[in-house]
Amino acid sequence: DQQVKQNSPSLSVQEGRISILNCDYTNSMFDYFLWYKKYPAEGPTFLISISSIKDKNEDGRFTVFLNKSAKHLSLHIVPSQPGDSAVYFCAASERGNTPLVFGKGTRLSVIA
Amino acid sequence: SAVISQKPSRDICQRGTSLTIQCQVDSQVTMMFWYRQQPGQSLTLIATANQGSEATYESGFVIDKFPISRPNLTFSTLTVSNMSPEDSSIYLCSVVRAGYEAFFGQGTRLTVV
Repeated sequence: DQQVKQNSPSLSVQEGRISILNCDYTNSMFDYFLWYKKYPAEGPTFLISISSIKDKNEDGRFTVFLNKSAKHLSLHIVPSQPGDSAVYFCAASERGNTPLVFGKGTRLSVIA
Repeated sequence: SAVISQKPSRDICQRGTSLTIQCQVDSQVTMMFWYRQQPGQSLTLIATANQGSEATYESGFVIDKFPISRPNLTFSTLTVSNMSPEDSSIYLCSVVRAGYEAFFGQGTRLTVV
């Protein structure tokens, strides 16, 4: 049973527009959520995170929203740039210093 | 942040052989994690490598198939033994800093023919 789900395997967005990547989770014990970005032939790199005590965290063009009642989080990228084209993984943690649980990823293509 | 050097970056191996993947971290860490990403799938945890004790394996993964060494606090190896084409995946090592944030090596793309 997948605890972290990214139901959209791919997403295409025009440059300059907003990209919205979605993630759902089932484990109510998760208290920390992270987004990772992965380019081909590289390991995932950390992008942004949010604690369960917050509902929004913003870092430049990237904003993560958390809806705990719906067990849903989303990553907004605005404006989208061609360099944002990558696979984005949603991840969750039940407590610190434990391995993360990942979704399957969403491949974002930003078209110039 | 953490700098993690993982090698080899890729390899093509014959079925029935074994491959050892190395992971070197730039500073001491208590736990190191090994993940596998099969095509179109999420990153799946194989095992947690603890220094001074046996690795802890997740359901579906066994020590005979994926032996792990952790000789010190900055280094670990994962061996994929008796390989079959189903083992073709990207293998990643990871460490956790600041409680939650995980850092990854660049990954090893393994193709078994």
